Amino acid sequence: EDKVVQSPLSLVVHEGDTVTLNCSYEVTNFRSLLWYKQEKKAPTFLFMLTSSGIEKKSGRLSSILDKKELFSILNITATQTGDSAVYLCAVGSNTGKLIFGQGTTLQVKP
Amino acid sequence: DTAVSQTPKYLVTQMGNDKSIKCEQNLGHDTMYWYKQDSKKFLKIMFSYNNKELIINETVPNRFSPKSPDKAHLNLHINSLELGDSAVYFCASSPSGGRAQETQYFGPGTRLLVL
Repeated sequence: EDKVVQSPLSLVVHEGDTVTLNCSYEVTNFRSLLWYKQEKKAPTFLFMLTSSGIEKKSGRLSSILDKKELFSILNITATQTGDSAVYLCAVGSNTGKLIFGQGTTLQVKP
Repeated sequence: DTAVSQTPKYLVTQMGNDKSIKCEQNLGHDTMYWYKQDSKKFLKIMFSYNNKELIINETVPNRFSPKSPDKAHLNLHINSLELGDSAVYFCASSPSGGRAQETQYFGPGTRLLVL
């Protein structure tokens, strides 16, 4: 059965810290891996990764995919309280389905 | 303008009732989805429609019936509501769906509470 596992499940840090969120997967017919940020409402898109070893960057956030070892990491540097959210990893297969992990809840304290 | 919108935002109802949730997207996307997010924040796909045609139908009770009158709308009707149906239901859309690698855009969610 396809599955996506995220770790840690929750994390508490202080402003300015750097965090690394992990996502490992076992999905048949892998096509893409996506990261979403969910605050109080809808998940909002962060990154889509399809190729191994190519880092995607957006401000203080970056992500990379390893298709050989079947995992991805999401890094956030110089964290701010506004980064507090649930971070969701999802893997897309060629059926068009997105299989989500259980999320990592990040709390950034002032 | 809201890209993916859902109504209502909140729904509180009694067990056994029938209710509907509506979803509309103005992105011109071909594919729409319904997800259920439980209390542990796990998002699970329920259904997917591509140009009004059902393409993904996960193991969901028959009490749940999606309806797509056109490619911009995907509604979810739930019969005989049960306590375990309490969750947040998210609608999403993507440009073409199916075998394409593409991002899904989510609506704000409908929080359903069954008493």
